[in-house]
Amino acid sequence: EAQVTQNPRYLITVTGKKLTVTCSQNMNHEYMSWYRQDPGLGLRQIYYSMNVEVTDKGDVPEGYKVSRKEKRNFPLILESPSPNQTSLYFCASSQQGYGNTIYFGEGSWLTVV
Amino acid sequence: AQSVAQPEDQVNVAEGNPLTVKCTYSVSGNPYLFWYVQYPNRGLQFLLKYITGDNLVKGSYGFEAEFNKSQTSFHLKKPSALVSDSALYFCAVRDSGNTPLVFGKGTRLSVIA
Repeated sequence: EAQVTQNPRYLITVTGKKLTVTCSQNMNHEYMSWYRQDPGLGLRQIYYSMNVEVTDKGDVPEGYKVSRKEKRNFPLILESPSPNQTSLYFCASSQQGYGNTIYFGEGSWLTVV
Repeated sequence: AQSVAQPEDQVNVAEGNPLTVKCTYSVSGNPYLFWYVQYPNRGLQFLLKYITGDNLVKGSYGFEAEFNKSQTSFHLKKPSALVSDSALYFCAVRDSGNTPLVFGKGTRLSVIA
């Protein structure tokens, strides 16, 4: 089954403790992206990657890192999480090309206390 | 830079009545327009998209959307609403450049039995 898989789905962590949210897709997609969803703000893009070893900042990259060493994986790293990073995070992927449909993972609920 | 506006935070409609969820956009080039739906505690699911061609696009679950270039709109419609259509709906746009997909803030649809 074609899918985008994120882990963990739910996490409560403490300020300053590094964490990684993994994302993997099995559709051989070139494009991958991370979004965060906050009430009243919709989805905002954090980082995106057009292909292996190619990453770019989105609208809200501060406090986040990403890497794209393999085509299928695109982990999101919070080096020193803060409470304002409490949010619902989505990973997404698509084939290259402007009109191609983007597929989303189920989301990762992150709470930083 | 491209942008999307969903002017209504909430839309209420009676079951069996037609529904419309509004979306307007702004892009510098040709628009690629998408609608996604989010059910509680789930990821975003693709409904439909406009790339080129016929201005009326048909998608999943009986939804359709009309592309209007002069009004820069891409409203989502359904002839007869179901209670199960109650969810959060997102409009998104990207243009023909090397740009990411930009989402609106979402419209919560509530269908009342």
